[in-house]
Amino acid sequence: EDKVVQSPLSLVVHEGDTVTLNCSYEVTNFRSLLWYKQEKKAPTFLFMLTSSGIEKKSGRLSSILDKKELSSILNITATQTGDSAIYLCEGRTGNQFYFGTGTSLTVIP
Amino acid sequence: ETGVTQSPTHLIKTRGQQVTLRCSSQSGHNTVSWYQQALGQGPQFIFQYYREEENGRGNFPPRFSGLQFPNYSSELNVNALELDDSALYLCASSLASGSYEQYFGPGTRLTVT
Repeated sequence: EDKVVQSPLSLVVHEGDTVTLNCSYEVTNFRSLLWYKQEKKAPTFLFMLTSSGIEKKSGRLSSILDKKELSSILNITATQTGDSAIYLCEGRTGNQFYFGTGTSLTVIP
Repeated sequence: ETGVTQSPTHLIKTRGQQVTLRCSSQSGHNTVSWYQQALGQGPQFIFQYYREEENGRGNFPPRFSGLQFPNYSSELNVNALELDDSALYLCASSLASGSYEQYFGPGTRLTVT
């Protein structure tokens, strides 16, 4: 059965800390892995990863895919209270989409 | 550029009833996907429509059905509602099917009593 597993389930850090969120996938005919941030309702797109070993960066956030290990990490440096959210990972085939349960990140001032 | 919109925002229905949820895709997008997100869970893929045809379906029973219209807006219909159908229903649109980023709407919160 295809699935995506995220860890940890929740995380509480202080402002300024660096965090690493993990996503592992077992997806037949895997095509891409995506990361989203969900604050209230609508998840917002962060990164799409299709090639192994190529880091994608956006400000303090970065992500990389390891196809050999069937996993991805999302790094957030110098965390801010505005980073508090649920971070979702999605594994995708051509027309099937598998989300993990998410990692709930709380950043304390 | 208009984002993805959904209606209604909230809905309360009784077990056994039928419900229709609506989604307007982002301008220029021809693909819409629907998801069910129960409390504390990640979104579960229901189905995707690409140019008015169903293009993929998750593990949901046939009482979950959909439509996509020529303007690429979409409907999700759920028949014979069950208590477990209570969830946030999200739709997302993308430029096309395949490896394209999705843009999510704000969701419809459905409560079945």
